[in-house]
Amino acid sequence: GDSVTQMEGPVTLSEEAFLTINCTYTATGYPSLFWYVQYPGEGLQLLLKATKADDKGSNKGFEATYRKETTSFHLEKGSVQVSDSAVYFCALTRANFGNEKLTFGTGTRLTIIP
Amino acid sequence: EAGVAQSPRYKIIEKRQSVAFWCNPISGHATLYWYQQILGQGPKLLIQFQNNGVVDDSQLPKDRFSAERLKGVDSTLKIQPAKLEDSAVYLCASSLAGTENQPQHFGDGTRLSIL
Repeated sequence: GDSVTQMEGPVTLSEEAFLTINCTYTATGYPSLFWYVQYPGEGLQLLLKATKADDKGSNKGFEATYRKETTSFHLEKGSVQVSDSAVYFCALTRANFGNEKLTFGTGTRLTIIP
Repeated sequence: EAGVAQSPRYKIIEKRQSVAFWCNPISGHATLYWYQQILGQGPKLLIQFQNNGVVDDSQLPKDRFSAERLKGVDSTLKIQPAKLEDSAVYLCASSLAGTENQPQHFGDGTRLSIL
């Protein structure tokens, strides 16, 4: 079945550091890939997405490129801020007779120190 | 636009009791999802509705969990009787239509603790 494997956390960085959170997936066909972010006490928010190979999703300074050859969708940001502290989830979905359930990774907790 | 509304935010019950959660999706969103998020794990789909019909309930423990969306708008998820392993955050999400290019919008969740 479909699965998503994320870099284990927690990850602690200093403000303005470079961020990479690794994500790889297993799925048949051509899934769409997502990064969701969950701030403390809140629900998940879509951060960015990519729907086909070589697409780059970007939002709020974060980027991720859909790499089919390596089945990866790593999240990057050039200079993190304290406000980026949250849990980040990589996820995929495959349209299958109208069933678009999201399959999530386990999440990576990110803490940014001033 | 108003987001996905869920209530209650927190619930504490003893095992073998029953509990119900409510979700009101974004207006006009035909697809509604319930996810279970156990501490330290990613959310797992329990059930997906398209309007008032069930699309996928393959991972719903039907001996104790039930869900309905009678008028194709708001939805209720029930657990009866609750077990210790049901302690989790229950997330409701909705999307405009059942296609992969329509993002799912999540509510803040209901945190359930079983004593």
